[in-house]
Amino acid sequence: DTAVSQTPKYLVTQMGNDKSIKCEQNLGHDTMYWYKQDSKKFLKIMFSYNNKELIINETVPNRFSPKSPDKAHLNLHINSLELGDSAVYFCASGRGGLTQYFGPGTRLLVL
Amino acid sequence: DQQVKQNSPSLSVQEGRISILNCDYTNSMFDYFLWYKKYPAEGPTFLISISSIKDKNEDGRFTVFLNKSAKHLSLHIVPSQPGDSAVYFCAAIVTSNTGKLIFGQGTTLQVKP
Repeated sequence: DTAVSQTPKYLVTQMGNDKSIKCEQNLGHDTMYWYKQDSKKFLKIMFSYNNKELIINETVPNRFSPKSPDKAHLNLHINSLELGDSAVYFCASGRGGLTQYFGPGTRLLVL
Repeated sequence: DQQVKQNSPSLSVQEGRISILNCDYTNSMFDYFLWYKKYPAEGPTFLISISSIKDKNEDGRFTVFLNKSAKHLSLHIVPSQPGDSAVYFCAAIVTSNTGKLIFGQGTTLQVKP
């Protein structure tokens, strides 16, 4: 009965590859988010979707493209991976723009 | 331009004593504040929150205090337990702004038995 789940948990890949991270929530929330935690441990928002509509799009390279097939899913696709994309990516969900609940994270390592 | 700051990277306390974690913010538009706890290799877990219309919120051993004039909030854990050892993140939201959480850089708490 995991609330927010992400797959895969670990992702090791070569520069230039394209990869996707999937996120699902079973909390019935209307809003989902992607956050990035960099090597300095800062957590920063990347994207947010509300009812499948993009509502937050921070200054993120356009190699990153979120896709929300429905309210319960928000996937993150990354094209042409670069070394600097190595980080931990967290999905989160929430209702009403207040408390957000996070997934376990996906640890991406680009070689 | 860091709008939420946790100036203490780490804190060590003895089991049973009080842990006080501090957080400062610069954006006066923030009107909702949250604390998250994070264990290694896990996602942040919501701990407690406070609205800007309050100055205190309590939940069991955890109390959050908000001083709006000083743009400062703190998390008190009493009594501290070894299982509380984790990284604690302070976060803030402008609730009219689509729920964009702004995080501090975290404070690592170690509670010694």
